[in-house]
Amino acid sequence: AQSVAQPEDQVNVAEGNPLTVKCTYSVSGNPYLFWYVQYPNRGLQFLLKYITGDNLVKGSYGFEAEFNKSQTSFHLKKPSALVSDSALYFCAVRDAHSGAGSYQLTFGKGTKLSVIP
Amino acid sequence: DAGITQSPRHKVTETGTPVTLRCHQTENHRYMYWYRQDPGHGLRLIHYSYGVKDTDKGEVSDGYSVSRSKTEDFLLTLESATSSQTSVYFCAISETPRLSGSGGANVLTFGAGSRLTVL
Repeated sequence: AQSVAQPEDQVNVAEGNPLTVKCTYSVSGNPYLFWYVQYPNRGLQFLLKYITGDNLVKGSYGFEAEFNKSQTSFHLKKPSALVSDSALYFCAVRDAHSGAGSYQLTFGKGTKLSVIP
Repeated sequence: DAGITQSPRHKVTETGTPVTLRCHQTENHRYMYWYRQDPGHGLRLIHYSYGVKDTDKGEVSDGYSVSRSKTEDFLLTLESATSSQTSVYFCAISETPRLSGSGGANVLTFGAGSRLTVL
């Protein structure tokens, strides 16, 4: 079984400050990890993914995430937050060795990010 | 949300009535998915399809059925809607994973969502 935990329902950060949105995961094999963002009344949009290789992954809109295998974490980060970053953020995982025909992602419950002007 | 449309975008219905939500894609992607989004639960997979007439259950499939008679259309049906099925429903699509390398690490593209209220 695979699972994802986002321990914070909400994160508040001042504009210009660095932001971190936390994610931990559990899979039986190696993980594929994803971050998605949802703006109000919209569907989810892909931000970045970790498959293999460099533990620091860079994605859209200046976001990056660091894969830490020993801590089973994949925290989302940005050096300087913008008001326009305010949205709902979802971490997702799937086991790299899931059988053919099943490519199901398991999503976390989401973290609401509010960037305060 | 280009390439994937959901209809209707909003629907209010009564308990016990049948409801069908439609997902239409123009990307010719093999995989299609139906998720529901609820506060405190995030997104949960209802059903998915890996080809025409090939479907399988997800995490929360009870009370839902799906059909895929064409590559571009994936229908979600609630045979007899209940208040617990009040939710926002999202369709998603993805390409066929490559057989090597990062095969399976395909990215999902989501529709704009369908808000269903069951009274």
